[in-house]
Amino acid sequence: EVQLVESGGALVQPGGSLRLSCAASGFSFSTSYMHWVRQVPGKGLVWISRLDGDDSNINYADAVKGRFTISRDNAKNTLYLQMESLRVEDTAVYYCAKGGPTGSQLGGILDHWGQGTLVTVSS
Amino acid sequence: EIVMTQSPDSLTVSLGERATINCKSSQIIYHGFNNRNYLTWYQQRPGRPPKLLISWASTRESGVPDRFSGSGSGTDFTLTISSVQSEDVAVYYCHQYYTSLQTFGQGTKLEIK
Repeated sequence: EVQLVESGGALVQPGGSLRLSCAASGFSFSTSYMHWVRQVPGKGLVWISRLDGDDSNINYADAVKGRFTISRDNAKNTLYLQMESLRVEDTAVYYCAKGGPTGSQLGGILDHWGQGTLVTVSS
Repeated sequence: EIVMTQSPDSLTVSLGERATINCKSSQIIYHGFNNRNYLTWYQQRPGRPPKLLISWASTRESGVPDRFSGSGSGTDFTLTISSVQSEDVAVYYCHQYYTSLQTFGQGTKLEIK
């Protein structure tokens, strides 16, 4: 069974930093695309980043480019999102999601999601 | 960035009625080399993470009831629920993965009358 468990969400001041983690199990993590998607409570889904199994393809939405860094540790089956220069508008629930296999056309399909972790940016 | 626009924003139907949700992309999300539209539909029930319903615009995921169907091509797509059940109360999102900068529609909230 695919499981994705996010952690690391917290209250942080504007301008601060935070690192989110997503522990994965039940599938071949090292050969799968992984994504981060966020959702302001009560609002819609916003895709923010993805990377493939060997980090050769990494993409970011314009809203986070230059401030957020996606990475993975395939030995630990863990996905990360390092967030810097946080803004009030970054307040959201952050979901990690599993994509399809690296090198396939399925990479962009978000076939399993975690429960999310809440990041609140406020003074 | 490809902009995905859903209509309507909300929808109220009676149990057993048909529900139709539309999604329009700002550019074509069809690849001729594999004859596929790079569009998925997700369901998000209250308090839950999203769930994949349909990929490639019309391929239903395993375990998804057959009352859910997807159609369309190019820039115009539709999610149809043939006979709405109480457990279908949710927000539905379309999503394109045609480009490496993926985008979602704003969501359509389905309620029961």
